[in-house]
Amino acid sequence: AQKVTQAQTEISVVEKEDVTLDCVYETRDTTYYLFWYKQPPSGELVFLIRRNSFDEQNEISGRYSWNFQKSTSSFNFTITASQVVDSAVYFCALSDSGGYQKVTFGTGTKLQVIP
Amino acid sequence: GAGVSQSPSNKVTEKGKDVELRCDPISGHTALYWYRQSLGQGLEFLIYFQGNSAPDKSGLPSDRFSAERTGGSVSTLTIQRTQQEDSAVYLCASSSPDRLMNIQYFGAGTRLSVL
Repeated sequence: AQKVTQAQTEISVVEKEDVTLDCVYETRDTTYYLFWYKQPPSGELVFLIRRNSFDEQNEISGRYSWNFQKSTSSFNFTITASQVVDSAVYFCALSDSGGYQKVTFGTGTKLQVIP
Repeated sequence: GAGVSQSPSNKVTEKGKDVELRCDPISGHTALYWYRQSLGQGLEFLIYFQGNSAPDKSGLPSDRFSAERTGGSVSTLTIQRTQQEDSAVYLCASSSPDRLMNIQYFGAGTRLSVL
């Protein structure tokens, strides 16, 4: 069975601070995909990134960066120089590569950026 | 439309009434998913459609819940004899038939309140 753990329920940071959101996953599959989604107060989940299990390179997109480590089964998300607009709930998710690629979501981390 | 559309955005109903929630996926997306998100909780998978078929209904919480999809497009989630514990945000997502692009795109959800 697949499982995604986001141990941080809520995080508060002051604007311009860096913040890292943790994600630990469990799967028996050798090929799988990892995702991050953002859910702002408006409610609609916004896709941020998808990473294939064979690609362990870290990725940077503007102020966002992702650290994928298979050795620790982690896929952490860092926001550099946080802004108020980053305030949202962030979900980490995992899918296998077979069948219809059912996605398992973590319980989310609520990030509050204080101005 | 450009994105996943859900209607209504809000629904208030009385306990015992039936409700229908609608999802209009992104054009060309053959896969469609329903999730439930209770207040402050993660996403709970309900049902998955591939075309008009539902190969995975494992998440439907009871026989009061049902869903259908017609024409490989619009889907309706029906909750019969609603209970207060059904109050939640119901999210719909769709994804491309290309398995290499198994990114789920979400609608804004329907907030259901059962009084």
